[in-house]
Amino acid sequence: AQRVTQPEKLLSVFKGAPVELKCNYSYSGSPELFWYVQYSRQRLQLLLRHISRESIKGFTADLNKGETSFHLKKPFAQEEDSAMYYCALGTPDGLTFGKGTHLIIQP
Amino acid sequence: NAGVTQTPKFQVLKTGQSMTLQCAQDMNHNSMYWYRQDPGMGLRLIYYSASEGTTDKGEVPNGYNVSRLNKREFSLRLESAAPSQTSVYFCASSDPDRDYEQYFGPGTRLTVT
Repeated sequence: AQRVTQPEKLLSVFKGAPVELKCNYSYSGSPELFWYVQYSRQRLQLLLRHISRESIKGFTADLNKGETSFHLKKPFAQEEDSAMYYCALGTPDGLTFGKGTHLIIQP
Repeated sequence: NAGVTQTPKFQVLKTGQSMTLQCAQDMNHNSMYWYRQDPGMGLRLIYYSASEGTTDKGEVPNGYNVSRLNKREFSLRLESAAPSQTSVYFCASSDPDRDYEQYFGPGTRLTVT
Protein backbone atom coordinates (compact mmCIF):
# COMPACT_ATOMS: atom_id res chain seq x y z
CA ALA A 1 0.00 0.00 0.00
CA GLN A 2 1.12 3.54 -0.64
CA ARG A 3 2.40 5.76 2.12
CA VAL A 4 3.53 9.36 2.52
CA THR A 5 5.82 10.31 5.38
CA GLN A 6 6.48 13.83 6.60
CA PRO A 7 8.96 13.35 9.42
CA GLU A 8 8.63 16.82 10.93
CA LYS A 9 5.40 17.75 12.69
CA LEU A 10 6.73 21.22 13.36
CA LEU A 11 9.43 23.28 11.69
CA SER A 12 10.41 26.71 12.93
CA VAL A 13 12.81 28.95 11.02
CA PHE A 14 13.66 32.64 11.03
CA LYS A 15 12.54 35.02 8.33
CA GLY A 16 15.07 35.07 5.52
CA ALA A 17 16.47 31.62 6.30
CA PRO A 18 16.17 28.70 3.89
CA VAL A 19 13.31 26.24 4.35
CA GLU A 20 13.14 22.56 3.52
CA LEU A 21 10.07 20.48 4.32
CA LYS A 22 10.75 16.79 3.91
CA CYS A 23 8.48 14.28 2.22
CA ASN A 24 9.16 10.63 1.48
CA TYR A 25 6.80 8.25 -0.23
CA SER A 26 6.34 4.56 -0.72
CA TYR A 27 4.62 3.39 -3.88
CA SER A 28 5.29 0.60 -6.32
CA GLY A 29 3.94 2.38 -9.38
CA SER A 30 4.82 5.63 -11.11
CA PRO A 31 4.13 8.38 -8.57
CA GLU A 32 2.52 11.75 -8.96
CA LEU A 33 3.47 14.01 -6.08
CA PHE A 34 1.91 17.22 -4.83
CA TRP A 35 2.25 19.77 -2.10
CA TYR A 36 -0.88 21.30 -0.58
CA VAL A 37 -0.86 24.27 1.79
CA GLN A 38 -3.35 25.32 4.44
CA TYR A 39 -3.06 28.82 5.89
CA SER A 40 -4.50 29.41 9.33
CA ARG A 41 -8.12 28.18 9.44
CA GLN A 42 -8.45 28.32 5.67
CA ARG A 43 -9.12 25.65 3.11
CA LEU A 44 -6.38 23.51 1.62
CA GLN A 45 -5.08 24.61 -1.73
CA LEU A 46 -2.71 23.08 -4.21
CA LEU A 47 0.75 24.61 -4.04
CA LEU A 48 2.86 22.49 -6.37
CA ARG A 49 2.68 19.43 -8.55
CA HIS A 50 5.88 17.67 -9.53
CA ILE A 51 4.86 17.11 -13.10
CA SER A 52 4.74 20.81 -13.90
CA ARG A 53 8.13 21.61 -12.33
CA GLU A 54 6.93 25.10 -11.55
CA SER A 55 7.84 27.51 -8.77
CA ILE A 56 4.98 28.96 -6.76
CA LYS A 57 5.51 31.69 -4.15
CA GLY A 58 9.23 30.92 -4.36
CA PHE A 59 8.76 27.25 -3.45
CA THR A 60 10.16 24.42 -5.53
CA ALA A 61 10.12 20.67 -5.15
CA ASP A 62 12.01 18.02 -7.06
CA LEU A 63 10.95 14.43 -7.32
CA ASN A 64 13.85 12.11 -6.51
CA LYS A 65 12.76 8.62 -7.48
CA GLY A 66 15.99 7.06 -6.22
CA GLU A 67 15.44 8.41 -2.72
CA THR A 68 11.63 8.33 -3.06
CA SER A 69 11.51 11.91 -1.87
CA PHE A 70 9.72 15.13 -2.84
CA HIS A 71 11.09 17.75 -0.50
CA LEU A 72 9.71 21.29 -0.60
CA LYS A 73 12.27 24.09 -0.58
CA LYS A 74 12.41 27.85 -0.45
CA PRO A 75 15.68 29.82 -0.28
CA PHE A 76 14.40 32.74 1.82
CA ALA A 77 11.44 32.23 4.13
CA GLN A 78 8.82 34.93 4.56
CA GLU A 79 6.44 35.39 7.46
CA GLU A 80 3.44 34.76 5.22
CA ASP A 81 4.77 31.26 4.55
CA SER A 82 3.63 30.18 8.02
CA ALA A 83 1.07 27.42 7.40
CA MET A 84 0.43 23.68 7.41
CA TYR A 85 1.99 21.89 4.48
CA TYR A 86 0.83 18.52 3.27
CA CYS A 87 2.63 16.28 0.84
CA ALA A 88 0.31 14.08 -1.20
CA LEU A 89 0.73 11.08 -3.47
CA GLY A 90 -1.65 10.50 -6.35
CA THR A 91 -2.45 6.94 -7.36
CA PRO A 92 -5.44 5.29 -9.06
CA ASP A 93 -6.96 5.04 -5.57
CA GLY A 94 -6.87 8.83 -5.21
CA LEU A 95 -4.75 11.12 -3.07
CA THR A 96 -2.85 9.87 -0.04
CA PHE A 97 -1.79 12.67 2.28
CA GLY A 98 1.07 12.83 4.72
CA LYS A 99 0.34 13.94 8.27
CA GLY A 100 1.53 17.45 7.58
CA THR A 101 4.26 19.80 8.75
CA HIS A 102 3.43 22.98 10.59
CA LEU A 103 5.83 25.64 9.35
CA ILE A 104 6.38 28.65 11.58
CA ILE A 105 8.40 31.59 10.31
CA GLN A 106 9.73 33.70 13.13
CA PRO A 107 10.35 37.41 12.57
CA ASN B 1 -18.02 30.99 -9.17
CA ALA B 2 -18.09 29.99 -5.49
CA GLY B 3 -16.01 26.82 -5.92
CA VAL B 4 -16.70 24.30 -3.17
CA THR B 5 -19.06 25.35 -0.40
CA GLN B 6 -19.87 23.58 2.85
CA THR B 7 -22.54 24.04 5.49
CA PRO B 8 -22.56 24.42 8.40
CA LYS B 9 -19.21 25.97 9.36
CA PHE B 10 -19.49 24.91 12.98
CA GLN B 11 -21.62 22.35 14.78
CA VAL B 12 -21.81 20.95 18.28
CA LEU B 13 -23.61 17.65 18.77
CA LYS B 14 -24.33 15.44 21.72
CA THR B 15 -23.40 11.79 21.59
CA GLY B 16 -26.04 9.85 19.69
CA GLN B 17 -27.41 12.79 17.72
CA SER B 18 -27.45 12.74 13.96
CA MET B 19 -26.64 15.38 11.38
CA THR B 20 -25.85 15.87 7.72
CA LEU B 21 -22.97 17.93 6.39
CA GLN B 22 -23.70 19.52 3.05
CA CYS B 23 -21.26 20.13 0.22
CA ALA B 24 -21.80 21.67 -3.19
CA GLN B 25 -19.52 22.59 -6.08
CA ASP B 26 -20.17 24.72 -9.12
CA MET B 27 -17.15 23.69 -11.21
CA ASN B 28 -18.90 20.85 -13.04
CA HIS B 29 -16.54 18.33 -11.47
CA ASN B 30 -17.37 14.65 -11.61
CA SER B 31 -15.43 13.53 -8.54
CA MET B 32 -16.18 14.59 -4.98
CA TYR B 33 -14.60 13.61 -1.67
CA TRP B 34 -15.10 13.81 2.07
CA TYR B 35 -12.05 13.99 4.37
CA ARG B 36 -11.59 14.42 8.06
CA GLN B 37 -8.64 16.32 9.48
CA ASP B 38 -7.33 15.52 12.93
CA PRO B 39 -4.22 16.89 14.68
CA GLY B 40 -1.21 14.73 13.95
CA MET B 41 -3.20 12.53 11.55
CA GLY B 42 -3.33 14.67 8.45
CA LEU B 43 -6.27 14.24 6.10
CA ARG B 44 -8.00 10.90 5.88
CA LEU B 45 -10.49 10.02 3.17
CA ILE B 46 -13.92 9.00 4.45
CA TYR B 47 -15.86 8.47 1.22
CA TYR B 48 -15.62 9.57 -2.35
CA SER B 49 -17.83 9.68 -5.41
CA ALA B 50 -16.31 9.30 -8.85
CA SER B 51 -19.53 10.32 -10.57
CA GLU B 52 -23.18 11.01 -9.95
CA GLY B 53 -24.84 7.92 -8.53
CA THR B 54 -21.67 6.21 -7.33
CA THR B 55 -19.95 6.26 -3.96
CA ASP B 56 -17.03 4.33 -2.53
CA LYS B 57 -15.47 3.91 0.89
CA GLY B 58 -12.21 5.55 1.72
CA GLU B 59 -9.81 4.92 4.57
CA VAL B 60 -12.15 5.68 7.51
CA PRO B 61 -15.81 5.13 6.48
CA ASN B 62 -17.16 3.61 9.71
CA GLY B 63 -19.89 5.69 11.33
CA TYR B 64 -20.61 7.69 8.18
CA ASN B 65 -22.91 7.52 5.18
CA VAL B 66 -22.89 9.62 2.04
CA SER B 67 -25.28 10.61 -0.71
CA ARG B 68 -24.36 11.95 -4.11
CA LEU B 69 -27.57 13.81 -4.67
CA ASN B 70 -26.64 15.11 -8.11
CA LYS B 71 -23.50 16.23 -9.88
CA ARG B 72 -23.19 19.32 -7.68
CA GLU B 73 -23.97 17.98 -4.22
CA PHE B 74 -22.35 15.38 -1.98
CA SER B 75 -23.57 15.06 1.60
CA LEU B 76 -22.05 13.29 4.60
CA ARG B 77 -24.31 11.92 7.33
CA LEU B 78 -23.49 10.94 10.88
CA GLU B 79 -26.32 8.71 12.06
CA SER B 80 -25.27 8.46 15.71
CA ALA B 81 -22.46 10.85 16.53
CA ALA B 82 -19.62 9.76 18.81
CA PRO B 83 -16.89 11.85 20.48
CA SER B 84 -14.35 10.14 18.20
CA GLN B 85 -16.00 11.94 15.31
CA THR B 86 -14.97 15.32 16.66
CA SER B 87 -12.93 16.68 13.77
CA VAL B 88 -12.77 19.16 10.95
CA TYR B 89 -14.49 17.84 7.85
CA PHE B 90 -13.46 18.91 4.37
CA CYS B 91 -15.24 18.33 1.13
CA ALA B 92 -13.31 18.42 -2.14
CA SER B 93 -13.95 18.02 -5.83
CA SER B 94 -11.84 17.40 -8.88
CA ASP B 95 -11.95 17.42 -12.63
CA PRO B 96 -12.06 13.88 -14.09
CA ASP B 97 -8.94 14.52 -16.12
CA ARG B 98 -7.06 15.94 -13.12
CA ASP B 99 -8.17 13.82 -10.20
CA TYR B 100 -5.25 14.83 -8.05
CA GLU B 101 -5.85 18.56 -8.31
CA GLN B 102 -8.56 18.67 -5.73
CA TYR B 103 -10.40 21.83 -4.76
CA PHE B 104 -11.36 22.02 -1.12
CA GLY B 105 -14.22 23.60 0.73
CA PRO B 106 -13.72 25.78 3.82
CA GLY B 107 -14.42 22.93 6.24
CA THR B 108 -16.92 22.13 8.97
CA ARG B 109 -15.68 22.08 12.55
CA LEU B 110 -17.68 19.44 14.41
CA THR B 111 -17.55 18.82 18.14
CA VAL B 112 -19.32 15.85 19.69
CA THR B 113 -19.74 16.00 23.46
